Amino acid sequence: DVVLTQSPATLSVTPGERISLSCRASESVDTYLHWYQQKPNESPRLLIKYASQSISGIPSRFSGSGSGTDFTLSINGVELEDLSIYYCQQGNSLPYTFGAGTKLELK
Amino acid sequence: QVQLTESGPGLVHPSETLSLTCTVSGFSLTGYSVYWVRQPSGKGLEWMGRMRYNGDTSYNSALKSRLSISRDTSKNQVFLKMNSLQTDDTGTYYCTGLTTEAMGWGQGVMVTVSS
Repeated sequence: DVVLTQSPATLSVTPGERISLSCRASESVDTYLHWYQQKPNESPRLLIKYASQSISGIPSRFSGSGSGTDFTLSINGVELEDLSIYYCQQGNSLPYTFGAGTKLELK
Repeated sequence: QVQLTESGPGLVHPSETLSLTCTVSGFSLTGYSVYWVRQPSGKGLEWMGRMRYNGDTSYNSALKSRLSISRDTSKNQVFLKMNSLQTDDTGTYYCTGLTTEAMGWGQGVMVTVSS
């Protein structure tokens, strides 16, 4: 199974700063890498699909990049409503898998 | 309106079988795949399995021996059955379309395994 390693596990942020979250795959997943946001007591929601494709209704400050084994989710100008847990998920090879998540907290 | 709704028992006894239903509206199961994802309390997301649009199924390697996913296209429902439940199966169970944007995620159903 493909193992996804997310780093850091927790990131302390200041509103307005630009941040980057990492997701590394144990083998190539091409661009079949997707990002989800989960706020407390809510279901996850899709943020970015296929590494860099934007999703309708998601603010433009969220962007994704990468291919193969190294991927990045960037937030350009963090807002308080972005304090959540972010998960990556690979859809290249079965069984699909999720990373352990990165938690964004207020500095 | 596209919607996914999970239903099932909130409490299951150890060693028993969990049966959950995902009822979908606004799209056809023969055109889109539906996935089950679970989240132990306070922990991360775990991909459990998939009911593909053509009826094929795939499962998490660690759960494969206990898990079964099926569907009834006439009722627009996808079913999850998992046997030999233990306390570490406690958590929230979601059905979702994953990257099919319009489908989103259900609200989840909380399942507690306890005697």
